[in-house]
Amino acid sequence: KAGVTQTPRYLIKTRGQQVTLSCSPISGHRSVSWYQQTPGQGLQFLFEYFSETQRNKGNFPGRFSGRQFSNSRSEMNVSTLELGDSALYLCASRQGATGELFFGEGSRLTVL
Amino acid sequence: QQQVKQSPQSLIVQKGGISIINCAYENTAFDYFPWYQQFPGKGPALLIAIRPDVSEKKEGRFTISFNKSAKQFSLHIMDSQPGDSATYFCAGWEGAQKLVFGQGTRLTINP
Repeated sequence: KAGVTQTPRYLIKTRGQQVTLSCSPISGHRSVSWYQQTPGQGLQFLFEYFSETQRNKGNFPGRFSGRQFSNSRSEMNVSTLELGDSALYLCASRQGATGELFFGEGSRLTVL
Repeated sequence: QQQVKQSPQSLIVQKGGISIINCAYENTAFDYFPWYQQFPGKGPALLIAIRPDVSEKKEGRFTISFNKSAKQFSLHIMDSQPGDSATYFCAGWEGAQKLVFGQGTRLTINP
């Protein structure tokens, strides 16, 4: 069974641009969560989607948004990029509304 | 606000020794406490987890000790091996809704 797949793995953007990251969950998993990982703040929860609905949201500004499609694939978007948005963005999926989280390898975003 | 405090930030242990990582939490709504292991270039992977009504859980060389009254829990790695070198995160689940992580501990096992 394929794991959680995130694309792109690496990307470089400049301040003010926007970025879209993609996540394909494990087959059969309906929940997708996004986390931001930085050396200073560690792993921080962004949001979770379950059956195309945002189920929970962390404490991030409105520039961070996401969505989930009917096939459970998810995208997250960051608009008006700031230097501090440079981070590893991790996607995780789980089968239902509870249960073990399975993480992808992340998308490393660098903002110049 | 840091709801899960983890220490130490980094730890060096000799091969065969015991690695101990400690966590303390503030949120009494946490009802499940997992530990994740992360290797460079990889996402975190679940290592072992415990419920607050259990004081200890052991899986192979890995043991979680849990003290509900003190709101503390710890990970013990027995007979530490170089392959255990990774970053370890403790975490707390709040009603299966949100997973809050500790800051992480970079563990190095010297051969």
